[in-house]
Amino acid sequence: EAQVTQNPRYLITVTGKKLTVTCSQNMNHEYMSWYRQDPGLGLRQIYYSMNVEVTDKGDVPEGYKVSRKEKRNFPLILESPSPNQTSLYFCASSFIRATEAFFGQGTRLTVV
Amino acid sequence: AQSVTQLGSHVSVSEGALVLLRCNYSSSVPPYLFWYVQYPNQGLQLLLKYTSAATLVKGINGFEAEFKKSETSFHLTKPSAHMSDAAEYFCAVSDRSTGNQFYFGTGTSLTVIP
Repeated sequence: EAQVTQNPRYLITVTGKKLTVTCSQNMNHEYMSWYRQDPGLGLRQIYYSMNVEVTDKGDVPEGYKVSRKEKRNFPLILESPSPNQTSLYFCASSFIRATEAFFGQGTRLTVV
Repeated sequence: AQSVTQLGSHVSVSEGALVLLRCNYSSSVPPYLFWYVQYPNQGLQLLLKYTSAATLVKGINGFEAEFKKSETSFHLTKPSAHMSDAAEYFCAVSDRSTGNQFYFGTGTSLTVIP
């Protein structure tokens, strides 16, 4: 089954404790991206990757890191999480840029 | 940068009534346009997309959208609402020339009244 898998689905952590949210796709997609969803703000793109070892900032990259060492994986790293990063995070992939994006189920992160 | 405006953060319709969700984009060059639906506790699912073919685009679950360049709009419609249509709907755009980023609207929550 074609899918984008994020883990974990739910995460509660404390300020400053490094965390990684994993994202994996099995569709051989080149394009992958991370979004955060906040009430009243819709989805905002954090980072995106056009291919392996190619990443770029979206609209809200501050406080986040990503890496793309393999085509299928695109982890999101918060090296020092803060409460304003409490949000619902989505990973998405698509075959090439600007085509249909397939979304993961989301990761609800709470930073206390 | 592109921007997307969805008028109406909440829309309520009666079951069987017309659904109209509005989306306007900002660029002078028509972008790629998408509508996504999000059901509670789920990710986003593509309803339909406009790339460069027919201006009236048909999607899943009876939804369709019409691209109107003169109005820079891509409104989503469904002739007859069903209870199962209750969800959050997002309009999104991607720049046609670079296509590197997606820009989403703030979403419209659709309630269907029995």
